[in-house]
Amino acid sequence: DQQVKQNSPSLSVQEGRISILNCDYTNSMFDYFLWYKKYPAEGPTFLISISSIKDKNEDGRFTVFLNKSAKHLSLHIVPSQPGDSAVYFCAASDGAAGNKLTFGGGTRVLVKP
Amino acid sequence: GAVVSQHPSWVICKSGTSVKIECRSLDFQATTMFWYRQFPKQSLMLMATSNEGSKATYEQGVEKDKFLINHASLTLSTLTVTSAHPEDSSFYICSARDGRIAKNIQYFGAGTRLSVL
Repeated sequence: DQQVKQNSPSLSVQEGRISILNCDYTNSMFDYFLWYKKYPAEGPTFLISISSIKDKNEDGRFTVFLNKSAKHLSLHIVPSQPGDSAVYFCAASDGAAGNKLTFGGGTRVLVKP
Repeated sequence: GAVVSQHPSWVICKSGTSVKIECRSLDFQATTMFWYRQFPKQSLMLMATSNEGSKATYEQGVEKDKFLINHASLTLSTLTVTSAHPEDSSFYICSARDGRIAKNIQYFGAGTRLSVL
C-alpha cells in the first residue's frame, strides 16, 4: 500500500523552462511534506518543505504547492538548469506518528541544455 | 544546512561476516536518527528509527537481530549488518533530525553501498 506516489517516473525538460513534479498521497494524517533531490550513489539532499497549514512555499527557484483537498503536492523548478538533473523524491510525515518520513517512488528529471 | 556524515561509503565483505556503518551528525545533536535501505531504481525504505539512549524501533519485516542499531550518543548511530549474505547487498542511508528546529526535516548521509560476496 503506497501512501505516497509519484506517478511520473521520469521528466525531460529544456534548460530555462519550468519543471513540474507531482506527488499524491493517501494518508490524511500527513501534516508535513518535503522534497528531496538525489544523485546516484549519494544521500538525498533536502530542497524545500511545506506544512499542511499552508498551500504554497517558495525558496528561490523552487516552489512547492499543496492541495490538501486533492491530497496532491507539486514542485515547480523555474528556470530549470542542467545541474537540476537528478531524481526527486517527495516525502510526507505524520507528526503524531513519530515523524517518520514516507517516500514516493521518485521522478528522474533530465534537463537538456 | 545540517551535515550528516556516513562512513564507509562503500564496503565489500565476505558472506557470513559483519559490517558496521557509522552515521554522525557533525554540527547538531540528533536525538533521533533513521536508517533506510534503497534497492536499485526504487525508493527509500525505512528500516528503523534510532533513539539516543534507548532501543531502536524497527519497521515491520526488518529483522532486529540481523540489523543491530546502536545510538550511544547524540551525534552517533551505528548500524551493524550481522552475518551478512548476498541478499543484504544494498545501499544503506542514514538520516538525522535536527532537534533544534521544530520542522521535521531529516538530513541524510551520503549512503553506504554494501556488496556481500
